[in-house]
Amino acid sequence: EPEVTQTPSHQVTQMGQEVILRCVPISNHLYFYWYRQILGQKVEFLVSFYNNEISEKSEIFDDQFSVERPDGSNFTLKIRSTKLEDSAMYFCASSPQTGVETQYFGPGTRLLVL
Amino acid sequence: GENVEQHPSTLSVQEGDSAVIKCTYSDSASNYFPWYKQELGKRPQLIIDIRSNVGEKKDQRIAVTLNKTAKHFSLHITETQPEDSAVYFCAASISGFNKFYFGSGTKLNVKP
Repeated sequence: EPEVTQTPSHQVTQMGQEVILRCVPISNHLYFYWYRQILGQKVEFLVSFYNNEISEKSEIFDDQFSVERPDGSNFTLKIRSTKLEDSAMYFCASSPQTGVETQYFGPGTRLLVL
Repeated sequence: GENVEQHPSTLSVQEGDSAVIKCTYSDSASNYFPWYKQELGKRPQLIIDIRSNVGEKKDQRIAVTLNKTAKHFSLHITETQPEDSAVYFCAASISGFNKFYFGSGTKLNVKP
């Protein structure tokens, strides 16, 4: 069964550094998402992406964040200048089409900012 | 915006007993409610979902009920087994908007 994959599984970075988190959504899916979960808190929506553009973003997704689909398979989340509070588990998800469709989650990338 | 509350945060049951996890939501426009199971170190996996046009859905030992008037939905697991031990998340979504609002999770421990 196809699955969403994410790399790396863990990343440690220094405050102020740029990080890129990578995701490979399920191949025939059209919608892509990023969520994050700070330790001990709820999973929070960051951004959704469709047809090569952001369809919705949360207030968390400020100018430090960007997303890109650089080719036909990868979907990336870039944090330009990391802060301590960016430490979290970042989940990528994808779904086949719009509406109330199931979202399939990747295994997550645990980001630690020192 | 939508706010989803989930209770309890931890639940310990004996193998074979039933487990019930409850969620409430605030936005009456929400009409899709998935439940995810996350085992330690693994991805969240969809286990069951319900849309607002039905009040109950069942899949073997798992069932979900929805009360639109009260704006709450519940996950029921019968005949629990040790492999049911995991963190369970509820979520709510508004059709056409796609983003999920998650509950805070329930850690279920099934004791053999």
